[in-house]
Parts: sequence; structure tokens; C-alpha cells
Amino acid sequence: DGGITQSPKYLFRKEGQNVTLSCEQNLNHDAMYWYRQDPGQGLRLIYYSQIVNDFQKGDIAEGYSVSREKKESFPLTVTSAQKNPTAFYLCASKKGQGDYYGYTFGSGTRLTVV
Amino acid sequence: EDQVTQSPEALRLQEGESSSLNCSYTVSGLRGLFWYRQDPGKGPEFLFTLYSAGEEKEKERLKATLTKKESFLHITAPKPEDSATYLCAVRRSSKETSGSRLTFGEGTQLTVNP
Repeated sequence: DGGITQSPKYLFRKEGQNVTLSCEQNLNHDAMYWYRQDPGQGLRLIYYSQIVNDFQKGDIAEGYSVSREKKESFPLTVTSAQKNPTAFYLCASKKGQGDYYGYTFGSGTRLTVV
Repeated sequence: EDQVTQSPEALRLQEGESSSLNCSYTVSGLRGLFWYRQDPGKGPEFLFTLYSAGEEKEKERLKATLTKKESFLHITAPKPEDSATYLCAVRRSSKETSGSRLTFGEGTQLTVNP
């Protein structure tokens, strides 16, 4: 079945480390997104990509970086510059311009700083 | 700036006790309003897209409605398995690539007791 796979499910980061969260989709979707979810807050957009080799900053891009070398993959790197990285990270994708089927989300990666 | 406000923050119902969740929004040209269900530790699951005032959509015990300023998610005779956080999001109508992004509310945590 098609879907979005995020890995790992749980990730622990030491102070000063960079970590990379994986997001892979086999839905043939064009656009991909990274959101951050904190308790009591709505999902906030970190980065998004409409096509391969192109991406834009969202509302909270500082301390994060992404790449989109393949249509299927949109990895997110949380750098040491991100001062408060502990959160639940969600990857999503969407096909074309239509909204009938909404945005498909992965199952998330919970990142904890130790 | 697009804004989405959901109320109440939390709602407890007895099984069979119908109620509604509210989503108030401010957006420059609504392209679509989305409802998602999110279970603890998982990614949001798409429920509905509403496009214009007066539109209604139904799925099992859920019915979503839309006006020019807000959307309601009506839950009829809920069951314990309907317990989840319900998220509302809007997409702005725009020719720019930023128009494809969603702005989320903080969600309503619904608990249905047997």
C-alpha cells in the first residue's frame, strides 16, 4: 500500500549534535512538507518542497535544513543551531494542486534532547 | 496572516451524547478548510475538505459544515473509539507556492466515555 514512512519513530539527540529525520513516500506526490508539533500548539511549518531540487522556508526554519534530491524523499536535518528541538515531527505530502484527498501524513518522529 | 482558532480545547462526552467542535478562521481567500483526526503518538488522518460556505460533508458519525467565518464538526452519538484530537486547518487561495501550505489550529481533544 502507498503511504509515507518516517524513521526513526523515536530519536535522541545529544547537545551539539546534528540529526537527520527520514521521510519517504511512494504515493507519487509532488509536494512534501515538514511540520513540528508541540503540546498545546498547532502544527507549525518548518520547510516545504513543491518539486525536486526546490524547497522553501516555512514559519520556523531556523536551525533546520532539508534537501529534495528525489521525488520520493525529503529528509530533515535538525542542526545544533536549533535551541529547542524536542518535539514531534511530522512529514506530509500532497499530489498536485487538488485538495480533495487532503494532505497525507506520516506517523511522526519524536525527537528528544538528552 | 492566516489564523485558525479551535474551541473548546478539550471536550468530554458520554457515549451517545452528541456535540460540536468549532473552528474559527481568518484567511485571505479560502482555498480549502480541512479536518483531521489525530490519535496519540500518530500522524493526523484526513477526514474532510470543505471549499465554500454552505458546504457539508459526512462520514459515519461525523458531519462537517462551513460558513464564511467558521466550521463545525458535529459528532452524533459518539462512541469511545471517536476519542482523539481533531485538528482544523486552512489553505489560502494564492498563485504563489506559499499558497499550498496549511495553517493549523491547536486542536480539540475529545474524550468519549463508555
